[in-house]
Amino acid sequence: KNEVEQSPQNLTAQEGEFITINCSYSVGISALHWLQQHPGGGIVSLFMLSSGKKKHGRLIATINIQEKHSSLHITASHPRDSAVYICAVRSEETSGSRLTFGEGTQLTVNP
Amino acid sequence: DVKVTQSSRYLVKRTGEKVFLECVQDMDHENMFWYRQDPGLGLRLIYFSYDVKMKEKGDIPEGYSVSREKKERFSLILESASTNQTSMYLCASSKPGHVDTQYFGPGTRLTVL
Repeated sequence: KNEVEQSPQNLTAQEGEFITINCSYSVGISALHWLQQHPGGGIVSLFMLSSGKKKHGRLIATINIQEKHSSLHITASHPRDSAVYICAVRSEETSGSRLTFGEGTQLTVNP
Repeated sequence: DVKVTQSSRYLVKRTGEKVFLECVQDMDHENMFWYRQDPGLGLRLIYFSYDVKMKEKGDIPEGYSVSREKKERFSLILESASTNQTSMYLCASSKPGHVDTQYFGPGTRLTVL
């Protein structure tokens, strides 16, 4: 079993829909990251969470430390949101700044 | 803005060749990482370095080596490329600390024939 699991693996939505991507992890963590990867490879960091909730534009990320679960929400989705969304955790048990990554969720938003 | 650059976007090599992938960052970050990304497997750590001349094995170091002679540059070396090393290779850097957000390069898609 992977330490970080995301669901769904693939998600197709219509423009304007509210989208949720889930991330569950099995280890104690000090931080959780949400990343976005557009076609062509480049990865950018969206959020770093250690508790609660963060919002940036139409993106909202939440984390429940007790349940070892995080969600990424996209409100009023748009075709330019189409990308792979990756959850990554910094485990309390690993040294340095290593992250453990989920497999990613491929999101496609159709016009 | 942090900038992480990689020497090539696409690379085609033959089995047995020695391959060098270069990564340069301009933000004076101590930490640098090399990952490979394969469908269904996500990002897997090959090696990372937390200072000049320092390196640690990641989860899949076999068949790879690294070099960090200068703080801004981290090289990944495939001593004798094999077809199972065909993959997307991503470099990242970060400043150590609580936030430790990693900044990624654009990736190198390596094909070994």
